[in-house]
Amino acid sequence: QQKVQQSPESLSVPEGGMASFNCTSSDRNFQYFWWYRQHSGEGPKALMSIFSDGDKKEGRFTAHLNKASLHVSLHIRDSQPSDSALYFCAASEIASSSFSKLVFGQGTSLSVVP
Amino acid sequence: NSKVIQTPRYLVKGQGQKAKMRCIPEKGHPVVFWYQQNKNNEFKFLINFQNQEVLQQIDMTEKRFSAECPSNSPCSLEIQSSEAGDSALYLCASSPWDRANTEVFFGKGTRLTVV
Repeated sequence: QQKVQQSPESLSVPEGGMASFNCTSSDRNFQYFWWYRQHSGEGPKALMSIFSDGDKKEGRFTAHLNKASLHVSLHIRDSQPSDSALYFCAASEIASSSFSKLVFGQGTSLSVVP
Repeated sequence: NSKVIQTPRYLVKGQGQKAKMRCIPEKGHPVVFWYQQNKNNEFKFLINFQNQEVLQQIDMTEKRFSAECPSNSPCSLEIQSSEAGDSALYLCASSPWDRANTEVFFGKGTRLTVV
């Protein structure tokens, strides 16, 4: 069973628009979340992590975490064609006190149309 | 740019052949992971190491898979007898995994095609 559910499967936004992704964990042990981006032909690269309830903003990227519902989202404002990529949320059990593996969502394919 | 180096980038093997891929983790990162990303972009955790010791691993696919991270040598993942279903992108990742930084850094992967 998939422990991290991600939506939507794909997304197309105009250049300058807002892109939003959602992720929910079905396992209460997974409470630490990352967002990764993977361009074609590359490995995934971390965009940001979020471990506490609320919003976390880094430049054009804003993540939101609700630990009670185990829901995390990522929003990209002013989307650029270079943002076109696969986006994955990933969850782990414990942030720093054990070498817990990451469990990935299914991914969202983002296309930013000029 | 990622400092996790994976070789080769592409690997083509016939069914039943051995496939071996290597990974040099980022310097100073004691924790190494191997993941398999299939054609549907789904990730499957395979194994992780702290220095040379195995921390967690799946039931390594009927024992056809083996991995090691020897001291002063690249880490490696080997498939003893490749099957068509093994065709995937194999990603190596490393992490400093200290209290200040738990980010996991991925290499570009080795794309295995089993024909």
